[in-house]
Amino acid sequence: DQQVKQNSPSLSVQEGRISILNCDYTNSMFDYFLWYKKYPAEGPTFLISISSIKDKNEDGRFTVFLNKSAKHLSLHIVPSQPGDSAVYFCAASATGANSKLTFGKGITLSVRP
Amino acid sequence: EAGVAQSPRYKIIEKRQSVAFWCNPISGHATLYWYQQILGQGPKLLIQFQNNGVVDDSQLPKDRFSAERLKGVDSTLKIQPAKLEDSAVYLCASSLRGVVSDFGPGTRLTVT
Repeated sequence: DQQVKQNSPSLSVQEGRISILNCDYTNSMFDYFLWYKKYPAEGPTFLISISSIKDKNEDGRFTVFLNKSAKHLSLHIVPSQPGDSAVYFCAASATGANSKLTFGKGITLSVRP
Repeated sequence: EAGVAQSPRYKIIEKRQSVAFWCNPISGHATLYWYQQILGQGPKLLIQFQNNGVVDDSQLPKDRFSAERLKGVDSTLKIQPAKLEDSAVYLCASSLRGVVSDFGPGTRLTVT
């Protein structure tokens, strides 16, 4: 039972354009969502997060949108840069769950120069 | 600030052998996690420690996997005996409070 789903395995965008990475979840108890970026041979690094009391959180070129009714979140990267090419994981946790994270399978983003 | 350290970075063993991984978290981080990431999947939590106590080990295959965190700092994860399906990257992570912010580089295990 996959509670966090990243249905598109890969995405390719042109440098300077917007990258939109999508994530869906099924567990209504999830109330905190995170995005991690992973380069080959490295561990994931935290990118941005959002609490369920918000519908948007912005940090520089990265914005995460949360639609609780649809159980959907998305990560927008504007403008995309070649250095953004990596695997992006969506993760979720529930308050009271000891911060346990449930990860999606990840999406590979390629930004073409 | 030094990051989460893990060793070894790579390990190849035959099935039924045993293997151990080591993790040194960021100084002062009370919570330590071991995740298993199988190729093409997201990381899956195996065990979570708060200081040297186990908070969650519900997804740890306890018949073959064991972990300890002595003195609430370093941790070791052991597999004995290994199976082919244990081939994965084993990630250690730590956090000061709240959700995971810092992962180590991982140990890539190949079981042949």
